[in-house]
Amino acid sequence: QSALTQPASVSGSPGQSITISCTGTSSDVGGYNYVSWYQQHPGKAPKLMIYDVSNRPSGVSNRFSGSKSGNTASLTISGLQAEDEADYYCSSYTSSSTMFGGGTKLTVL
Amino acid sequence: QVQLQESGPGLVKPSQTLSLTCTVSGGSISSGSYYWSWIRQPAGKGLEWIGRIYTSGSTNYNPSLKSRVTISVDTSKNQFSLKLSSVTAADTAVYYCAREQWLVRFDPWGQGTLVTVSS
Repeated sequence: QSALTQPASVSGSPGQSITISCTGTSSDVGGYNYVSWYQQHPGKAPKLMIYDVSNRPSGVSNRFSGSKSGNTASLTISGLQAEDEADYYCSSYTSSSTMFGGGTKLTVL
Repeated sequence: QVQLQESGPGLVKPSQTLSLTCTVSGGSISSGSYYWSWIRQPAGKGLEWIGRIYTSGSTNYNPSLKSRVTISVDTSKNQFSLKLSSVTAADTAVYYCAREQWLVRFDPWGQGTLVTVSS
C-alpha cells in the first residue's frame, strides 16, 4: 500500500491561513470518514489535531480545521502562529489497515 | 490521564528479532473500546503504521510487514508488545506505541524509542 500524498512543504506568514492536502483513493480517504491529522515538532511524538475528518480533540485550538472532498482531505490552519511550525501528517483507515501521508513541513515565515 | 511508555533494546543485530513493550499507566488497558497500536518513523522520514491489537487479542497488521510482525497483549501487566523478526537496517527507526480510539484516532502516544539495527 502506498502512502497518502501530501505536499512536501508549505509556508505562510503569521496571521495568514494555509491548507495542507492529503490525497488518497476511494479505498482509503474517499471510502471512509476516518481521516486524522497529526502535528509533530522535532524530536517529539506526534500530537492528534483532527480526527474523523473534521473533529477537534479537547484542547486543540479552533484555528485548526479539517475537511474532505472525494479522495482528498485537507487541514486548514488559520491565524498562523510561530508555534504552528512543525511537520503535519494525515492518516486514513483502509480495509483493516491504516495509512499515513508522507508528511508536510510547515514553515512560518 | 493515560500515559504510554516504550521499552526494549536500543540495538538489534541484523536477522534477529526486535522486541518492544509498551506499558500503559493511568488506566486499565482492558477498559473502554480501544485498540493499541505500534507506529514507527525512520530518521528524517514519515510515519509508518505497523499494526494494532484489541484487548480481545484480535490483530490487524500492515500488509507490507505482516509476515514478520506479531503484536500481543498482557492485560495482567497492562502492557502490549511488538515482535518484528528478521530485521535489517531498513527497520532502524523510532518506534512509538499509541492508543487508538476507534479508527486512526491515535492519542495519546508514547515518547518513542530508537531501535538501531546494526552488527
